[in-house]
Amino acid sequence: DIVMTQSPDSLAVSLGERATINCKSSQSVLYSSNNKNYLGWFQQRPGQPPKLLIYWASTRESGVPDRFSGSGSGTDFTLTISSLQAEDVAVYYCQQYYSTPQTFGQGTNLEIK
Amino acid sequence: EVQLVESGGGLVQPGGSLRLSCAASGFTFSRHWMHWVRQAPGKRPVWVSRVNGDGSTTAYADSVKGRFTISRDNAKNTLYLQMNSLRADDAAVYYCVRGGEPTIDYWGQGTLVTVSS
Repeated sequence: DIVMTQSPDSLAVSLGERATINCKSSQSVLYSSNNKNYLGWFQQRPGQPPKLLIYWASTRESGVPDRFSGSGSGTDFTLTISSLQAEDVAVYYCQQYYSTPQTFGQGTNLEIK
Repeated sequence: EVQLVESGGGLVQPGGSLRLSCAASGFTFSRHWMHWVRQAPGKRPVWVSRVNGDGSTTAYADSVKGRFTISRDNAKNTLYLQMNSLRADDAAVYYCVRGGEPTIDYWGQGTLVTVSS
């Protein structure tokens, strides 16, 4: 199985400031035939199910605010929130869907400083 | 609006069985792969199983293979998960999740499974 490892485990950022979450996969999730990274990001607010934010490592799901962006390729990826809002308090998970079983990172708990 | 409503969770003794259901609406159910993903409290989500649109192709996590069975009834827009020989480490919230393009997208609110004597 591909192991997904996120850093940091928790993060406190002031409102309006930038938040950056990193994700590393134990093997590349870049599929050479289409040059796409099989990497997603999910947001889970307290008491709610996860919500898809980003797929193909950098494509925002419909309706997701543009302050959320994803980057990276191969084994190293980043989720950036450009200007933190109160409603962004949540746990964020990266996910690979390159191979079965799809697997998730351990999560990053994002709080307001 | 996509809606996925799980039911069937509860308290079961080790070795027991449960059948989870997921009622889907707001999309053409038969056109989508469907998945079960579970999440223990404070832990990361863990993929459990998937089934294709017509129910002919399934896959399972190694941890549940031979004990769990996924199925669907497209006439009823309902997904199922039959869970047998339940163990303590099967305890979690079980989510019904739609297979989108290219990855899973919509999640239900989940149903809690507790395994304890």
